[in-house]
Amino acid sequence: DSGVTQTPKHLITATGQRVTLRCSPRSGDLSVYWYQQSLDQGLQFLIQYYNGEERAKGNILERFSAQQFPDLHSELNLSSLELGDSALYFCASSASQGGETQYFGPGTRLLVL
Amino acid sequence: GDSVTQMEGPVTLSEEAFLTINCTYTATGYPSLFWYVQYPGEGLQLLLKATKADDKGSNKGFEATYRKETTSFHLEKGSVQVSDSAVYFCALRLTQGGSEKLVFGKGTKLTVNP
Repeated sequence: DSGVTQTPKHLITATGQRVTLRCSPRSGDLSVYWYQQSLDQGLQFLIQYYNGEERAKGNILERFSAQQFPDLHSELNLSSLELGDSALYFCASSASQGGETQYFGPGTRLLVL
Repeated sequence: GDSVTQMEGPVTLSEEAFLTINCTYTATGYPSLFWYVQYPGEGLQLLLKATKADDKGSNKGFEATYRKETTSFHLEKGSVQVSDSAVYFCALRLTQGGSEKLVFGKGTKLTVNP
């Protein structure tokens, strides 16, 4: 158990809908990272937040957004969903804004029908 | 750009066989290198890491050495067990000005048969 929690575990929705994925980092960790794992693209970095502020952006679509709240939990919002958004979404956390090990949560499996 | 290339799987071995999973990288600067493992139905777990050239990371019988001259970080284990069956990901960490991201290889699925 990494100490990173993600909810829900599974999510099934329809095209065009909007969903919110939630992540709670390990106790004391200030950075949260989001990754997408799909069969064709592999594991891709989406975005990093540190202590409530966005720090780095990867291959995140404009239809996707994230935020980190004062209690340090983070949410990833996916809107106007398409079939190709079906994937496993991982959250990771680390103690600082860079240079520390990232610990991964169990993931949220999203299926868009 | 920065990237990681690891050997295509799947890899199937018998118990107690020797394991090598190749990993090479392309990066500007001097990244830290990692191997993560994903067991069926679970998230990624850090297996080992190396932060500078010639460092050797090791854990649970697995080893990998950071080779700057060949830009490689191959994973090895002398005697695999059935419980090692999982997907293994090589990754590099890019840190710049208060931001950080991991760049992953595509993963190598290992199956160990009794």
